[in-house]
Amino acid sequence: DAGVIQSPRHEVTEMGQEVTLRCKPISGHNSLFWYRQTMMRGLELLIYFNNNVPIDDSGMPEDRFSAKMPNASFSTLKIQPSEPRDSAVYFCASSSGEVETQYFGPGTRLLVL
Amino acid sequence: DQQVKQNSPSLSVQEGRISILNCDYTNSMFDYFLWYKKYPAEGPTFLISISSIKDKNEDGRFTVFLNKSAKHLSLHIVPSQPGDSAVYFCAAGRYSSASKIIFGSGTRLSIRP
Repeated sequence: DAGVIQSPRHEVTEMGQEVTLRCKPISGHNSLFWYRQTMMRGLELLIYFNNNVPIDDSGMPEDRFSAKMPNASFSTLKIQPSEPRDSAVYFCASSSGEVETQYFGPGTRLLVL
Repeated sequence: DQQVKQNSPSLSVQEGRISILNCDYTNSMFDYFLWYKKYPAEGPTFLISISSIKDKNEDGRFTVFLNKSAKHLSLHIVPSQPGDSAVYFCAAGRYSSASKIIFGSGTRLSIRP
């Protein structure tokens, strides 16, 4: 029974390049979340979807960030253009709609040089 | 504006003793609270939760206490084991705003032999 799958696990890119992070939620889960973890800000919610519809994107830092969920089994988080301050670990999580439990993927460690 | 605060970035406890991790929150509208545990290179995993109608919830070695008047919760681990060494995140949310929870910055717990 696979958990939340994220790819790539590590990404190193140069400033100005486009970065796309991918997430496959647990089958049957109808809520999907993108988080960013940094030393300074801890774990912060960027955006979440319910039934593929973005519900709250107030955590998205700026217009350089965008997220999509074209279907129930796939989501992307895109950064264009990337900047060094975007370097962080990005987590995707999903839930079945229960308020208590979100299941996290292993994260994508992004380094923007 | 940090709505959920974990003021101790790290904690070291001897194996077999009690570990107490603390968390404070500012939003009195929060009505459920969670603890997540995170190992290096992995995503956070759900540990235990508590609803605001309770002041204590116990699951094996883990107990969460909630003091609503003080807007404070704590996680007790008894007895502490080497495998408990991890980063612990406190989180809070509102049932009326299902699925959006706010995380603290985390506390790194180290269990020493």
